[in-house]
Amino acid sequence: GAVVSQHPSWVICKSGTSVKIECRSLDFQATTMFWYRQFPKQSLMLMATSNEGSKATYEQGVEKDKFLINHASLTLSTLTVTSAHPEDSSFYICSASLPPLDTEAFFGQGTRLTVV
Amino acid sequence: GDSVTQMEGPVTLSEEAFLTINCTYTATGYPSLFWYVQYPGEGLQLLLKATKADDKGSNKGFEATYRKETTSFHLEKGSVQVSDSAVYFCALSDRGSQGNLIFGKGTKLSVKP
Repeated sequence: GAVVSQHPSWVICKSGTSVKIECRSLDFQATTMFWYRQFPKQSLMLMATSNEGSKATYEQGVEKDKFLINHASLTLSTLTVTSAHPEDSSFYICSASLPPLDTEAFFGQGTRLTVV
Repeated sequence: GDSVTQMEGPVTLSEEAFLTINCTYTATGYPSLFWYVQYPGEGLQLLLKATKADDKGSNKGFEATYRKETTSFHLEKGSVQVSDSAVYFCALSDRGSQGNLIFGKGTKLSVKP
C-alpha cells in the first residue's frame, strides 16, 4: 500500500518556540492531506484539510495563525506550531488520500510534541 | 454532530480468545464505517470498512457488520494472537472519502501468550 512518512516522531521544545512537522507521501502524489490531533485518552480530532497549492481549510475552533499548514508540493505538507505552549503538547498525525477517488487514507506514524 | 463511541480499554485477552470491541455511531445520512489499527510505533492502518447497511467488512480474521438499525459496527475476531496487540479505532466518514474521519477514542488490546 501507499506509504506516508511523518517526521519527527517526537519532539521536545521550549515554550514560545515554533516546531515544524513534516508529512510526506513517499510513493504517490497526494493532492489532499489531513492533520489530526489526539489528546491522551481522547479521539483523533481533525484539525485541518491541506490542499496542494491552496490555503488549508481549518476545522472550527482551530487557530489558523497558531497552526500553520503549508502544502507546497504534491508529496509534502507541513504543520508548524507557532509560539508553542504546554497546552499544545499532544500527538499530531497526518494522513493523505490516494487519488483519484480518495477512497482510502494512509496515515503517518504520528508526532509526539511536548512543550516544556 | 456526528460521533463515534467505542468501548473503553484496555482490553486484555489470552491467545486464542474471542474478541469483541463495541462501536456505535451517530450520524445524519449514511456514513461509511471503518476500523483502523495502530501497532506500537506505527501509523494507523485501515483494517476493514463497510460503506452501506448490512455490509460486512473483513480482513486478517477480523470482521465487522454495518448495522443501521442499531447504529453499530462492532469488531470481532474468533481467535486472537499476540501479534494482534495494538490500538483499534472505529471511525466514520460522512463525506464519501476517508480524508475527513471522525474517530472513536481507541481501544488498546493486549493479547497474552
